[in-house]
Amino acid sequence: SQQGEEDPQALSIQEGENATMNCSYKTSINNLQWYRQNSGRGLVHLILIRSNEREKHSGRLRVTLDTSKKSSSLLITASRAADTASYFCATPWRFGAGTRLTVKP
Amino acid sequence: GAVVSQHPSRVICKSGTSVKIECRSLDFQATTMFWYRQFPKQSLMLMATSNEGSKATYEQGVEKDKFLINHASLTLSTLTVTSAHPEDSSFYICSAPKERGSNTGELFFGEGSRLTVL
Repeated sequence: SQQGEEDPQALSIQEGENATMNCSYKTSINNLQWYRQNSGRGLVHLILIRSNEREKHSGRLRVTLDTSKKSSSLLITASRAADTASYFCATPWRFGAGTRLTVKP
Repeated sequence: GAVVSQHPSRVICKSGTSVKIECRSLDFQATTMFWYRQFPKQSLMLMATSNEGSKATYEQGVEKDKFLINHASLTLSTLTVTSAHPEDSSFYICSAPKERGSNTGELFFGEGSRLTVL
């Protein structure tokens, strides 16, 4: 079963713009993770945020977590065409619906 | 390099045949592996948790007799789709926790196996 919903389901932006993806979940968590999937491939772990953290950065990625609202967001700054992929949150082994991000050159 | 190897990457079979997919952890031991199924443009649906040396734990609605899971060693889990039918066509992905016994949840993923049943 899926853990929750992600929003938006699809996002198309121009290179250089920021991309924000949101994730909601249903159960209590110890941590939440974000993964990336290129089309037809396996997933790659991007970042993990623990339940006692509110924000975390990794390079161009910024993740926030609001446990009171059971939601998280992933921000990719200064997007590149190579960022085109699907992005999923997971808590920790069940995945959200995902956001398909397209970054146009 | 890949730390979880999945094979085959693509398989086409006739309806009624069985297909085995292997998932190997490379250079680390995995007492637990997870099997997912993914339909086009959809998320990963957890099918089952494979446990080394014991029976797999299946998610609700997943037929255990249809999707046989064997985790005979600390580096190998297999998923066998028995008597496959066209509706079983999908992308199957395995994963293993980064750290043995870890509950942090970070996973290494195989590259997936695309099954097409004719």
